[in-house]
Amino acid sequence: KQEVTQIPAALSVPEGENLVLNCSFTDSAIYNLQWFRQDPGKGLTSLLLIQSSQREQTSGRLNASLDKSSGRSTLYIAASQPGDSATYLCAVGQGGSEKLVFGKGTKLTVNP
Amino acid sequence: NAGVMQNPRHLVRRRGQEARLRCSPMKGHSHVYWYRQLPEEGLKFMVYLQKENIIDESGMPKERFSAEFPKEGPSILRIQQVVRGDSAAYFCASSPQGQGTEAFFGQGTRLTVV
Repeated sequence: KQEVTQIPAALSVPEGENLVLNCSFTDSAIYNLQWFRQDPGKGLTSLLLIQSSQREQTSGRLNASLDKSSGRSTLYIAASQPGDSATYLCAVGQGGSEKLVFGKGTKLTVNP
Repeated sequence: NAGVMQNPRHLVRRRGQEARLRCSPMKGHSHVYWYRQLPEEGLKFMVYLQKENIIDESGMPKERFSAEFPKEGPSILRIQQVVRGDSAAYFCASSPQGQGTEAFFGQGTRLTVV
């Protein structure tokens, strides 16, 4: 059974800092990994999608990496801003099925 | 291109009533997924549908829950005889071609059972 873990559960940083969010998964038989952002009381916004054959994806200040063999992904946020404050969710597309398996998220607070 | 549309955004039901949650996928998307987010929990897969077909309902509770995605109209998640434990945020997602393609989520329906 696939399990996705996100560390840390919460993170508070000053504005301008670069930061890394971690995601690990137990079963390497995935077809992709997706990072989402969730604001309080809102839906999920897709940030980056990495296919299993890829090593990383970049969008603006965000960079996500994937090491499938070790079951790890990282989301790097450069020059953090208060508007980046949200919960960041990692989800893996489970091989052999259509479901996404989610971690519980990292709650990020960027202080002005 | 409008995103995934869910309604209502908030729904309050008394114990024993029925809850109907609706989801219109993004234009051109024929794959629909429902997830549930309980307080302090991660999102859990419930069901995967394509037009007129339930493909995978392995995450659906065996009783009181059902889902459909008719040929015309939105996907419906139906919860009969709701109980307090059904209170949660229910999210719908859609994708254009299923596995390997990006999933887009709606804003969710927050169900409160009183």
